[in-house]
Amino acid sequence: GAVVSQHPSWVICKSGTSVKIECRSLDFQATTMFWYRQFPKQSLMLMATSNEGSKATYEQGVEKDKFLINHASLTLSTLTVTSAHPEDSSFYICSARDDRQGRSYEQYFGPGTRLTVT
Amino acid sequence: AQSVTQLDSQVPVFEEAPVELRCNYSSSVSVYLFWYVQYPNQGLQLLLKYLSGSTLVESINGFEAEFNKSQTSFHLRKPSVHISDTAEYFCAVSRSNAGGTSYGKLTFGQGTILTVHP
Repeated sequence: GAVVSQHPSWVICKSGTSVKIECRSLDFQATTMFWYRQFPKQSLMLMATSNEGSKATYEQGVEKDKFLINHASLTLSTLTVTSAHPEDSSFYICSARDDRQGRSYEQYFGPGTRLTVT
Repeated sequence: AQSVTQLDSQVPVFEEAPVELRCNYSSSVSVYLFWYVQYPNQGLQLLLKYLSGSTLVESINGFEAEFNKSQTSFHLRKPSVHISDTAEYFCAVSRSNAGGTSYGKLTFGQGTILTVHP
């Protein structure tokens, strides 16, 4: 168990358009999900913490209006990159924290979404 | 705030040789420590973790890591590697006593690419 999926796995969009990325926990509930960004040959940088039923908490330097996060259910969080620009091109990864008793310290990661903005 | 340093960006080894991937962290509070592995085109998978208790932790596939508080290290070792161990390995920390929106937030190192040659 503990599988997290992301959709799409890769997307190419034109500059100025918006792109939505979905993150789903398939066999467990996740009150909390995390969104990361990974640049080539660099580590994962936490962008925001997504909380079901409440507003996301963004890390310092991350534009809230550009990276819209919606955690509408206990198994789904979405990240929308609005008015995308080439510098937004990156690998976006989500993780979900298992709500089951005794597992709340564990995060399960999705396979990531490669976004290319032309 | 926490920080994680993985001292080697790439580690090439021959099959059946021993390997050590180094990880040092900095934190003013107590932490949990993790090693994640990322195989090509896949999401991060938890390899092993230190939460409390014995400072030596093991994974099911032969890796082990030892928490050394005095040296603030959590190096990953395997006595004999296989071709299938080729992947990128990430060391990460989270605050052990974090609450609210800080709970579960991971800080990652830069990653170490382990390449096992036949």
